[in-house]
Amino acid sequence: GDSVTQMEGPVTLSEEAFLTINCTYTATGYPSLFWYVQYPGEGLQLLLKATKADDKGSNKGFEATYRKETTSFHLEKGSVQVSDSAVYFCALSGRSGSARQLTFGSGTQLTVLP
Amino acid sequence: EPEVTQTPSHQVTQMGQEVILRCVPISNHLYFYWYRQILGQKVEFLVSFYNNEISEKSEIFDDQFSVERPDGSNFTLKIRSTKLEDSAMYFCASSESLAAIVDTQYFGPGTRLTVL
Repeated sequence: GDSVTQMEGPVTLSEEAFLTINCTYTATGYPSLFWYVQYPGEGLQLLLKATKADDKGSNKGFEATYRKETTSFHLEKGSVQVSDSAVYFCALSGRSGSARQLTFGSGTQLTVLP
Repeated sequence: EPEVTQTPSHQVTQMGQEVILRCVPISNHLYFYWYRQILGQKVEFLVSFYNNEISEKSEIFDDQFSVERPDGSNFTLKIRSTKLEDSAMYFCASSESLAAIVDTQYFGPGTRLTVL
């Protein structure tokens, strides 16, 4: 079945550092890919998404490119802020059958220090 | 901005008791979902619901679980006889469109269920 493998945390960075959180997936067909973020005490919020190969999703300075050849969707940000401290989840939804069922990675805790 | 809400934020119950977790999806959304996250583990899909019936369910969603939309706004998850392993964070989500190829799911803040 579908699966998502995500870089294990926790990740601790200084403010203005470069962030990469790795995400790879296994899926049949052509899934859509997502990054969700969970701030302390809040629900999962959609950060960005990509629906087909070579699409780049971006939001709030974060980017991720859908790489079909490497089955990856790595999250990057050029300069993190303290307010980016949160848990980040990579997820996919299939194109057939379980198109509405999200499959999540294990989440990566990011802490940004001032 | 519209949001999904869930109540209670934390529920403590004794093993064998029934619990009902409540969610109010975004008002114009058509699809509703429950997910759970056992501490330290992945977020897992439980069930999706559309047009007053279950659309998909996972292996986790056995006969102990049920979902209902009792009125025009609430969406509930019932666990009939809780077990220790049901302790988890339960997330409700909703999405808008039947026709969209990619339908963004909007999540609530979760209900932490603790079974003693």
